[in-house]
Amino acid sequence: SQKIEQNSEALNIQEGKTATLTCNYTNYSPAYLQWYRQDPGRGPVFLLLIRENEKEKRKERLKVTFDTTLKQSLFHITASQPADSATYLCALDPRNQGGKLIFGQGTELSVKP
Amino acid sequence: EPEVTQTPSHQVTQMGQEVILRCVPISNHLYFYWYRQILGQKVEFLVSFYNNEISEKSEIFDDQFSVERPDGSNFTLKIRSTKLEDSAMYFCASSEVRLAVYNEQFFGPGTRLTVL
Repeated sequence: SQKIEQNSEALNIQEGKTATLTCNYTNYSPAYLQWYRQDPGRGPVFLLLIRENEKEKRKERLKVTFDTTLKQSLFHITASQPADSATYLCALDPRNQGGKLIFGQGTELSVKP
Repeated sequence: EPEVTQTPSHQVTQMGQEVILRCVPISNHLYFYWYRQILGQKVEFLVSFYNNEISEKSEIFDDQFSVERPDGSNFTLKIRSTKLEDSAMYFCASSEVRLAVYNEQFFGPGTRLTVL
């Protein structure tokens, strides 16, 4: 069956460290993956998009990798800050389905000062 | 910075009533979407819309649901006869077309629908 899974447990890290979040998928061949941030009661906020022909993308303190062989994307936040505390969602495009996104359940990140 | 807006922020309705949720996508975007998120669960795709017609819809999007772009700016989701299980946060999103591929989707703040 088709699945998209993120670390189910909350991730607690110390301020200044690098947070690494994982997104694994099975039985999909996505053209791209997107990462979003979601705060409680709010809409997802777009962070990064990485396409199938890209290995890595960076934006300021954020980095995302995409390994189509392992069927995995990693999302890194370097020099993390308490303001980075939120739930991070990965979403993939199942290809040729009208732009539809399939979301993972999200990983809750808590950055302690 | 342009953003997607949604109204109302919270809608309470009785089971069996019709509701219309409204969205104003980002002005130069051509793809529009509705998603929903039941409390504590994943964000789920409902429907995508392009060129005044539905591009894709999920199994959730049955005959009780419809979408419309009544004018050049609004995009609406109608639920004809609400059920208790329709209670959720409903998000509108939009994206632009660049180089003939799908691109990042920008989400609105959501409408919390409560069906009593």
